Amino acid sequence: GAVVSQHPSRVICKSGTSVKIECRSLDFQATTMFWYRQFPKQSLMLMATSNEGSKATYEQGVEKDKFLINHASLTLSTLTVTSAHPEDSSFYICSATSGGNEKLFFGSGTQLSVL
Amino acid sequence: LAKTTQPISMDSYEGQEVNITCSHNNIATNDYITWYQQFPSQGPRFIIQGYKTKVTNEVASLFIPADRKSSTLSLPRVSLSDTAVYYCLVGDFDYGQNFVFGPGTRLSVLP
Repeated sequence: GAVVSQHPSRVICKSGTSVKIECRSLDFQATTMFWYRQFPKQSLMLMATSNEGSKATYEQGVEKDKFLINHASLTLSTLTVTSAHPEDSSFYICSATSGGNEKLFFGSGTQLSVL
Repeated sequence: LAKTTQPISMDSYEGQEVNITCSHNNIATNDYITWYQQFPSQGPRFIIQGYKTKVTNEVASLFIPADRKSSTLSLPRVSLSDTAVYYCLVGDFDYGQNFVFGPGTRLSVLP
């Protein structure tokens, strides 16, 4: 099956710093990538949808200036959490699809802890 | 977007068959139904996908009635390692579609 690689798997940072999370589709071209965050014992919450070469579409309540998403190629999307604060601590998950009623493939997630 | 409803939690014993039903009353013509499994601190893992009738693979079966307003994931002879959260996701995977997860079903398999 298709593989989505997400890095890093865990990151700890100080408050005020920025953190970049990478999401790569290893063996297919991802026309659309999605970014989710998940708090303990809760469901995945969609943050934004990005299509290759265009600006990401953010869900209501998600600050686009804080969560910068770049989808510059068909195999790579990045999420940058800018000026991270403790309330940004969460599990972030990316997913990708090649469209055409194919499955949605997920990365392994990134646990962000902001001190 | 089709909204999904699932039981919040289910308990089962090892070796039993588990059926988890998802309601999606406003499913659209082009929508597919996909089920995912998630373990703690991991990304969701694809289990099975279908459009109508019955689909079976090596790990599960998916039953979809003719009206497609619900679907049932069937896990045969569960083991302790099947303890996880199961999500049904309904949508059209064409370009630009976004996907919203429901609360999922937390399955606990007991010895």
